[in-house]
Amino acid sequence: DIQMTQSPSSLSASVGDRVTITCRASQSVNDRLNWYQQKAGKAPNLLIYAASSLQSGVPPRFSGSGSGTDFTLTISSLQPEDFAIYYCQQSYTTPPTFGQGTKVEI
Amino acid sequence: QITLKESGPTLVKPTQTLTLTCTFSGLSLNRNGVGVGWIRQPPGKALEWLALIYWDDDKRYNPSLWSRLSITKDTSRNQVVLTMTNMGPVDTATYYCARYLRYSGNWYFDRWGQGTLVTVSS
Repeated sequence: DIQMTQSPSSLSASVGDRVTITCRASQSVNDRLNWYQQKAGKAPNLLIYAASSLQSGVPPRFSGSGSGTDFTLTISSLQPEDFAIYYCQQSYTTPPTFGQGTKVEI
Repeated sequence: QITLKESGPTLVKPTQTLTLTCTFSGLSLNRNGVGVGWIRQPPGKALEWLALIYWDDDKRYNPSLWSRLSITKDTSRNQVVLTMTNMGPVDTATYYCARYLRYSGNWYFDRWGQGTLVTVSS
């Protein structure tokens, strides 16, 4: 299985901050990397697919980059509704594995 | 509008078999490049993928759980059913079903059900 490792596990930030979350794969996944946001008590919501493509309806302050083994999710200006847990997920091989999550707190 | 909804027991006893149903609308599981998957999340923990079934009836399972899992689809009823045998307390989790969609060669879970919490306890 491909292991996905996110860093940091949690971070504290303020409204308006630029936030960066990193995801590293144990082997190359090309650009087969997706990002999800999960708010408390809710199902995950797709933000970014194929490493850098913004899902329809997702605000443009979210962006993704990277390829191979190293990927980044960036929130350009953190908003109150962005406090949540973020997960990366590779779809290069089966099983489609998730990272352990990054909690973004106030 | 695409919706998915999980249903099944909220409480199961250890060693019992869990059967969960995902009922969906607005998506066609007959269409090339579409699948439905099950993902679970223990309280306070990360997401764990369990199983997938594709439009062509190809099935994939989490290697660490494959001997306990079975996934089937009934396209006439717009349902996907997951069974998991020999349930234990560590299987207590919220179970989600989600559409797995292929677009330009990439796959992703783009629509999710609300999830159903299953507790394993005697």
